[in-house]
Amino acid sequence: GEDVEQSLFLSVREGDSSVINCTYTDSSSTYLYWYKQEPGAGLQLLTYIFSNMDMKQDQRLTVLLNKKDKHLSLRIADTQTGDSAIYFCAEKYDSSASKIIFGSGTRLSIRP
Amino acid sequence: EPEVTQTPSHQVTQMGQEVILRCVPISNHLYFYWYRQILGQKVEFLVSFYNNEISEKSEIFDDQFSVERPDGSNFTLKIRSTKLEDSAMYFCASSTIGFAGAYQETQYFGPGTRLLVL
Repeated sequence: GEDVEQSLFLSVREGDSSVINCTYTDSSSTYLYWYKQEPGAGLQLLTYIFSNMDMKQDQRLTVLLNKKDKHLSLRIADTQTGDSAIYFCAEKYDSSASKIIFGSGTRLSIRP
Repeated sequence: EPEVTQTPSHQVTQMGQEVILRCVPISNHLYFYWYRQILGQKVEFLVSFYNNEISEKSEIFDDQFSVERPDGSNFTLKIRSTKLEDSAMYFCASSTIGFAGAYQETQYFGPGTRLLVL
């Protein structure tokens, strides 16, 4: 079946690292994405990783992929108040030319 | 940087009325998509469109929904007779290509149209 699971909430102190976790079910996923949604706004693509990669780093963002456990994580270093948002994990299959399957989203809140 | 745009940003309609949601995809993109997000729920795929026809649709995309590319720049979603449960944020997305094998297939999303059916 197609399913992407995430915890619903994460609270971190400003300046600390945030780690948002995600599990997915389909081993044929080709691309795994992280999208960010700020209040009232659309979905902003943050980063993506191919299924043949273990890690991808992009400035403050680090994506780790464990294909064996079907586990994806997003680490945000030096978390700032502007990072407050909902973060969606998403996957895209080989078997589908089209659709992206989204998780429920993790709401990240930043404490001073 | 090119982006997907959507109009209107908000739409309020009466149950049973027809609505048309409009999207302008990124100009060199060839694949177009609609997704929706009911408040508090996951973002769900509705339909994808390529070469002037639907390439895939979900079970949500029933006969009350239709999509069209009326000209070279717009992509529309029509809901023929709206129901209360159609209230949601509707996202348009586009990508350069739709099939696996290259980074260009990443889908870029617009800001969404919030539809409220009363």
